[in-house]
Amino acid sequence: EIVLTQSPDFQSVTPKEKVTITCRASQSVGNSLHWYQQKPDQSPKLLIKYTSQSISGVPSRFSGSGSGSGTDFTLNISSLEGEDIATYYCQQSSSLPITFGQGTRLEIK
Amino acid sequence: QVQLQESGPGLVKPSETLSLTCTVSGDSIRPFAWSWVRRPPGKGLEWLGYVSDSGYSNHNPSLNSRVSISVDTSNNLVSLNLYYVTAADTAVYYCARSGTGRNCFDHWGHGTLVIVSS
Repeated sequence: EIVLTQSPDFQSVTPKEKVTITCRASQSVGNSLHWYQQKPDQSPKLLIKYTSQSISGVPSRFSGSGSGSGTDFTLNISSLEGEDIATYYCQQSSSLPITFGQGTRLEIK
Repeated sequence: QVQLQESGPGLVKPSETLSLTCTVSGDSIRPFAWSWVRRPPGKGLEWLGYVSDSGYSNHNPSLNSRVSISVDTSNNLVSLNLYYVTAADTAVYYCARSGTGRNCFDHWGHGTLVIVSS
């Protein structure tokens, strides 16, 4: 099973701040790494697919990248807005079982 | 716009079977794959397994063969059975759609809370 480790687990943030969340895989997942946003009492929402592909309807302040190694990935929020307060998860689909990172929770400072 | 709606009992007794149904509306079951994902209280997301539109399924080995997932293409339904449940199976259960069994999830249901308790 591929283990995904996110950092940080928790971050206190301010509006307009740039936020970076990282996801490290225990083995290469190629580019098969996706990002989700989950707000309280809501279902997860797909933000970025296949490392860096944008999703229709998702604000452009969200972007994803990878180091090229297939193990290190980043989700960036260029200028945080209040509505971005949520928990963020990475997910790999390179091999079964599908696995998720443990989540990164953002809170307003 | 496709919509997914989970339904089933909100309370299940230990050692019994948890049975949930996902009703898909607004689009066809084909040619997609359908997964169940859960989130225990205070924890992260766990993938339980998926079923393809042809009925092929694959399950998370961590569940020790306690899970069964099936599809009814005639009625646009996806079903989950989780056998011999314990309190550790208490979670919000989500139905989610993907293009294939190994892919991202582009649509999710709202989720349904299932509590395992006597």
